Amino acid sequence: GEQVEQRPPHLSVREGDSAVIICTYTDPNSYYFFWYKQEPGAGLQLLMKVFSSTEINEGQGFTVLLNKKDKQLSLNLTAAHPGDSAVYFCAVPDTNAYKVIFGKGTHLHVLP
Amino acid sequence: EAAVTQSPRNKVAVTGGKVTLSCNQTNNHNNMYWYRQDTGHGLRLIHYSYGAGSTEKGDIPDGYKASRPSQENFSLILELATPSQTSVYFCASGDRGDTEVFFGKGTRLTVV
Repeated sequence: GEQVEQRPPHLSVREGDSAVIICTYTDPNSYYFFWYKQEPGAGLQLLMKVFSSTEINEGQGFTVLLNKKDKQLSLNLTAAHPGDSAVYFCAVPDTNAYKVIFGKGTHLHVLP
Repeated sequence: EAAVTQSPRNKVAVTGGKVTLSCNQTNNHNNMYWYRQDTGHGLRLIHYSYGAGSTEKGDIPDGYKASRPSQENFSLILELATPSQTSVYFCASGDRGDTEVFFGKGTRLTVV
């Protein structure tokens, strides 16, 4: 089945700097991908859903890039601010089962 | 807005006791999931369900049972709680594997 590796586990950046979180997956047939954001004490909220047909996906203050050749998905925060401090998870549906495989998460800390 | 409600939000249990965590969704989703979240492990799937009456083992089912008596409700049962089951538990619902998974706010369980 699908396997997902996420890195780095922890990331600290200064306000205004960029931050990059990377996930790699194993199933070349995967065609949907998700990024979730978890703020302290809360559940996971969907940040973006990405289709395999779109390699560059723009959000508010971030970009998600999909590299199908390398089976890699990245979340790029262009100018991080303290409100971006959270745990971020990538997720990939297992095409062989009715379940979603999550990365282990990245704790992002944006310093003022 | 899709809604997943977990109860209780916090629970302290004694070792060897029985614990039931409840989850209710109003999304009319077929699939429901129970995850636990621990530092260093991210989200790990315990049990999931395709619909009323079905339960499937996830990646770490040992020590847990699940029950899906209806489309809306999915329970996680710890028959004999152990301190190693101290964690934050999340319930989620979703439709097909390629649609968003909606999370509850989590239940913090402490087994003493």
